[in-house]
Amino acid sequence: GAVVSQHPSRVICKSGTSVKIECRSLDFQATTMFWYRQFPKKSLMLMATSNEGSKATYEQGVEKDKFLINHASLTLSTLTVTSAHPEDSSFYICSAGSLGGNEQFFGPGTRLTVL
Amino acid sequence: QKEVEQNSGPLSVPEGAIASLNCTYSDRGSQSFFWYRQYSGKSPELIMFIYSNGDKEDGRFTAQLNKASQYVSLLIRDSQPSDSATYLCAVNPFNKFYFGSGTKLNVKP
Repeated sequence: GAVVSQHPSRVICKSGTSVKIECRSLDFQATTMFWYRQFPKKSLMLMATSNEGSKATYEQGVEKDKFLINHASLTLSTLTVTSAHPEDSSFYICSAGSLGGNEQFFGPGTRLTVL
Repeated sequence: QKEVEQNSGPLSVPEGAIASLNCTYSDRGSQSFFWYRQYSGKSPELIMFIYSNGDKEDGRFTAQLNKASQYVSLLIRDSQPSDSATYLCAVNPFNKFYFGSGTKLNVKP
C-alpha cells in the first residue's frame, strides 16, 4: 500500500495556541485526504474530507473555522487546530485515498496534548 | 456517527481458537466494507475488504458479508497472541469512511 507520513508525531502546546499537522502521501497521488480524530478508547471519527484544490467538506458538528484544512497538492494536506483548548487533546489521523477509490492509507497519527 | 455498530468486547479466546467479530451497518447504500486492526497508540492497519455477498478468505482471515441483513463479520482462525488488538469495521458510502467503535480482542496464550 501507499506510504503516508504525518508530522509531528506528538505535540504539546499551551491553551490558545494554534497547531499545524502535516500529512504527506509519499508515493501516491492522493486526490482525497481524510482527517480523523480519535479519543481514548473510542473509534475514529471522521472530521472532514478534502479533495485536492478544493475546499474541505466537514462532518456535522466539526467547526470549520477551528479546524482549518488545506489540500493544496496531491501529496500534502494540513490540518490546523486554531486556538487549541484541552478538550482538543486527541489522536489525529489522516488518510489518503484516490478519487472514487475504495481504499485509504493511514498516516501514523499525531498525538496532540493541550495544556 | 452511528452508521456502524460493533460490540466493544473485550472478546477473549484461547490461542489456536477461532475469533468471531461482528458488525452491523445502517446505510443500505454502502458498497464496500473493511476490517482494520488497531494496536494501542497506533493508526489502523487494513486487514481486508469485501464488496460482494458471501465469504472472502485471506490467509487466517475470512470476511463474511450479508447485505440483506446489513451484517459483516470477520473470522480469525488459529488465533495468536499477536492478534490481540482492537478490530474496527468500516463502511464506505459516498466515498467517505465511517468506523465502528471497535471490538477489543484478547488472545490468551
